[in-house]
Amino acid sequence: QQQVKQSPQSLIVQKGGISIINCAYENTAFDYFPWYQQFPGKGPALLIAIRPDVSEKKEGRFTISFNKSAKQFSLHIMDSQPGDSATYFCAASGNYGQNFVFGPGTRLSVLP
Amino acid sequence: NAGVTQTPKFRVLKTGQSMTLLCAQDMNHEYMYWYRQDPGMGLRLIHYSVGEGTTAKGEVPDGYNVSRLKKQNFLLGLESAAPSQTSVYFCASRGWGGGGNEQFFGPGTRLTVL
Repeated sequence: QQQVKQSPQSLIVQKGGISIINCAYENTAFDYFPWYQQFPGKGPALLIAIRPDVSEKKEGRFTISFNKSAKQFSLHIMDSQPGDSATYFCAASGNYGQNFVFGPGTRLSVLP
Repeated sequence: NAGVTQTPKFRVLKTGQSMTLLCAQDMNHEYMYWYRQDPGMGLRLIHYSVGEGTTAKGEVPDGYNVSRLKKQNFLLGLESAAPSQTSVYFCASRGWGGGGNEQFFGPGTRLTVL
């Protein structure tokens, strides 16, 4: 119930391509779905987040697509750049954000 | 603003030794969290606090204790370290406002238990 599944485990994309990472959850009480970006040796940092009352949110090259009925959400990185190479985590929370559950992460490599 | 800071950055312990990890935040946040990060497993919540003087168990609390005596500090203790506790530990904080407020993470503490 508390698990968040994430795929793929790793992703290699050419510069300028589209990177897509998918997540799925079970607990329908989750009401906040953030994506975090983590560079080696650093702590995760919030990239973009969405609530289930909208199906899509876009910030620059980053877009979250949300499918409430399927309990799935995904991160799309348009025009991927080598500087986007990092590990990406999806997460979910409910109960006023007292408890966050993270996916296992996706290591993205963008080739120049 | 320093944000979220963690002390120490690295530590090596022998099995059975004890230590305390310190997390400090200067954003006047109510919520604070301790996570551990292991390869292929993402971040797993150890303990969290919703305010000064309060703590609660997360997903993997066994072998750890926490205290939140001051609002700005959240301490994570290992009373008798085990090799299974070798990990990178992250502290995070978040303000009020429901589940929509951003969690701010510290830089992490890399702990090795021999």
